[in-house]
Amino acid sequence: QKEVEQNSGPLSVPEGAIASLNCTYSDQGSQSFFWYRQYSGKSPELIMFIYSNGDKEDGRFTAQLNKASQYVSLLIRDSQPSDSATYLCAFGGDTGRRALTFGSGTRLQVQP
Amino acid sequence: EAQVTQNPRYLITVTGKKLTVTCSQNMNHEYMSWYRQDPGLGLRQIYYSMNVEVTDKGDVPEGYKVSRKEKRNFPLILESPSPNQTSLYFCASSPRLAGRVGELFFGEGSRLTVL
Repeated sequence: QKEVEQNSGPLSVPEGAIASLNCTYSDQGSQSFFWYRQYSGKSPELIMFIYSNGDKEDGRFTAQLNKASQYVSLLIRDSQPSDSATYLCAFGGDTGRRALTFGSGTRLQVQP
Repeated sequence: EAQVTQNPRYLITVTGKKLTVTCSQNMNHEYMSWYRQDPGLGLRQIYYSMNVEVTDKGDVPEGYKVSRKEKRNFPLILESPSPNQTSLYFCASSPRLAGRVGELFFGEGSRLTVL
């Protein structure tokens, strides 16, 4: 069983719609959760992190964490073609070695 | 400009020919790490370093070596590359903040092909 599960997609949404990306994880000791965006041929860049249950909003992005159900999601409101990328979720456990476990990513396509 | 710099960005080599991928960061981060990214497998950690002279294995260390003699540099060494090490490699760094794990800053990546 993979430690982090993400639907590989592609997830296709029209411009202006809400894109919803989901991620489940198996490590119940996970303490921190991250969403990275990776454009084709580029390196991952951090867009959101969340440590506590509930929602965290930053501009058009909202991260949602439910530790009891072991899932984390990312909502992108008013999706733009420039949001088309692969979104990687990652979590960090209390391992002391500061390693992140990454999912394989969900490819998002925003159609103009 | 705060950045993580990797070199070379692209490399084609042959089996058994030793190579080094350099990584340097200018953010005074204590933590540095190497990842490889392969289709369908996501990012997997190769080695990491919590500070100068402190390194440890990640999830896929076989066939790789690292060193951390200076805070800013963390080279990845492939002593005898094999075709299964063909991959996209990322170096990353992170500030050492208590209780915070994983706000990684990535380099631009090094695409390695071993023939």
